[in-house]
Amino acid sequence: RKEVEQDPGPFNVPEGATVAFNCTYSNSASQSFFWYRQDCRKEPKLLMSVYSSGNEDGRFTAQLNRASQYISLLIRDSKLSDSATYLCVAGNFGNEKLTFGTGTRLTIIP
Amino acid sequence: DADVTQTPRNRITKTGKRIMLECSQTKGHDRMYWYRQDPGLGLRLIYYSFDVKDINKGEISDGYSVSRQAQAKFSLSLESAIPNQTALYFCATSDVSGRAHNEQFFGPGTRLTVL
Repeated sequence: RKEVEQDPGPFNVPEGATVAFNCTYSNSASQSFFWYRQDCRKEPKLLMSVYSSGNEDGRFTAQLNRASQYISLLIRDSKLSDSATYLCVAGNFGNEKLTFGTGTRLTIIP
Repeated sequence: DADVTQTPRNRITKTGKRIMLECSQTKGHDRMYWYRQDPGLGLRLIYYSFDVKDINKGEISDGYSVSRQAQAKFSLSLESAIPNQTALYFCATSDVSGRAHNEQFFGPGTRLTVL
């Protein structure tokens, strides 16, 4: 079983729609959680950190459920520029080791 | 200019050859990392370094070695390349702030093909 599991997709979503990604992690000692975005053949870039209280950044909302070891990302009013692969990431304290999911591919359709 | 740079960006080599991938950063970060990315497997940590005198193995260090020549430079070597080391390699850096949510910044990647 992978430490961080994601639905690989692809998700093909019309522009303006809301899309949700889910992720589960198996290491209960994980302390920090992130969503990274990776464009085709490019490097991953931090989209947002995920806090237990949930956090929102514009059209993006991330949630963490420690009891279920579950992380989610919600994208509202999706734009064409949101097309990318979204990586779910779990880290230990201090982040010396990040464990990446294999990513969920999203394509926004005009 | 990019904060984290990698050279070369693309490399094709033959089985058995020694190859070095280099990473430089201008972010002033103490921590540096090497990952490889394979389709269906995601990013996996090869080695990481907290400072010039510190080197640690990651999840998949066999067949690789590293050198931290300076705070800003971290190189990855394949002593005798084999075809299953064909992958996209990323260098990353992070700050040693002690906060739980410090971000890792990635270089543009090196696409390595071993024939």
